[in-house]
Amino acid sequence: SQTIHQWPATLVQPVGSPLSLECTVEGTSNPNLYWYRQAAGRGLQLLFYSVGIGQISSEVPQNLSASRPQDRQFILSSKKLLLSDSGFYLCAWTFAGELFFGEGSRLTVL
Amino acid sequence: GENVEQHPSTLSVQEGDSAVIKCTYSDSASNYFPWYKQELGKGPQLIIDIRSNVGEKKDQRIAVTLNKTAKHFSLHITETQPEDSAVYFCAASTGSARQLTFGSGTQLTVLP
Repeated sequence: SQTIHQWPATLVQPVGSPLSLECTVEGTSNPNLYWYRQAAGRGLQLLFYSVGIGQISSEVPQNLSASRPQDRQFILSSKKLLLSDSGFYLCAWTFAGELFFGEGSRLTVL
Repeated sequence: GENVEQHPSTLSVQEGDSAVIKCTYSDSASNYFPWYKQELGKGPQLIIDIRSNVGEKKDQRIAVTLNKTAKHFSLHITETQPEDSAVYFCAASTGSARQLTFGSGTQLTVLP
């Protein structure tokens, strides 16, 4: 069966520090992968999606970037975090037209 | 683009009662409507979805209805239990998951 793993689960970082959130999918090949951000417990906003290795599309301008170095790995990064980057970040993938989310990473920028 | 409105934002029901959450969408080309349940501190979980070629779909205590003419769809939970307490999101898409537009969520509380 297909599973999605996301880490770290929680992260507290100072302003100006770098960020790396990782996501891997198991049990499938060439999945479409997504990064979402959720602020204040509501409002799912699509940040990036990828249809294959090295193929990244950005949905909104921001301080973040994404990379897909391997087929089943998706990474969300920042060189310098801002206070406004705090939130709940969700990796997701699609299977048979349906979207499935990981468990999320809670980022607090202080 | 698509706009999805979800009501109510909060809903409290007594255990055993039914709960109904409603969503409206703006793009008549939307043809896929999933519902997600998100428990505190966890990622949203797909609980049921419906495509535009059917008007209703049921899965045990959960059902979703779709009215394409009026451009609205609803989630119905019967015989609610405390473990149904969560935030529920509706969404609509004209095609791929990338095109999913989410509602703002409904906090459902089932009172014992």
